[in-house]
Amino acid sequence: GQNIDQPTEMTATEGAIVQINCTYQTSGFNGLFWYQQHAGEAPTFLSYNVLDGLEEKGRFSSFLSRSKGYSYLLLKELQMKDSASYLCAVRGQDTGFQKLVFGTGTRLLVSP
Amino acid sequence: DTGVSQNPRHKITKRGQNVTFRCDPISEHNRLYWYRQTLGQGPEFLTYFQNEAQLEKSRLLSDRFSAERPKGSFSTLEIQRTEQGDSAMYLCASSPVQGGTDTQYFGPGTRLTVL
Repeated sequence: GQNIDQPTEMTATEGAIVQINCTYQTSGFNGLFWYQQHAGEAPTFLSYNVLDGLEEKGRFSSFLSRSKGYSYLLLKELQMKDSASYLCAVRGQDTGFQKLVFGTGTRLLVSP
Repeated sequence: DTGVSQNPRHKITKRGQNVTFRCDPISEHNRLYWYRQTLGQGPEFLTYFQNEAQLEKSRLLSDRFSAERPKGSFSTLEIQRTEQGDSAMYLCASSPVQGGTDTQYFGPGTRLTVL
């Protein structure tokens, strides 16, 4: 089965940079996703990594190292609206390559 | 494209009652997924469909739960004889079959409270 670990909570200041780490164990890795979820709302897709390296999308970047079973989400120029939970999810052979297995999420609090 | 929609958004029911939720996926998305999320946890997979075929069911899905996607478009999730432990957010997601990313896009969810 899969095991996904990410910190429970992080705090940061408006305008700063924050890195949210995610480690995972899975058989036949087939992709890692990051989602943002505001309280009481649905998860919103942020990024997808399947090959090693960095994917950049505006203020958000996501990195993957398959050999280390490690990913991070980097948020730059933090804004108050970035206060949310950030969910790391993986897809793998033992999930039939379809369903996502999520971590518990990292609650990010951005303060002024 | 209006995204994935779910109805109702909130449902309060008494223990022992049956409830049914509906999900309308993004049009032309072949795959449809149901997840359940409780407070402080990530979504947990329940089941998924490719077109009208239900291809996988989680062991979390007891025999009180049933899902259908009769015409390969909208889906329903029914919970019979609800229990307080069924209280959760029920999320639906859909994805296209692209042979690559197959990103899942989530609906707003149905929040179920069982009294």
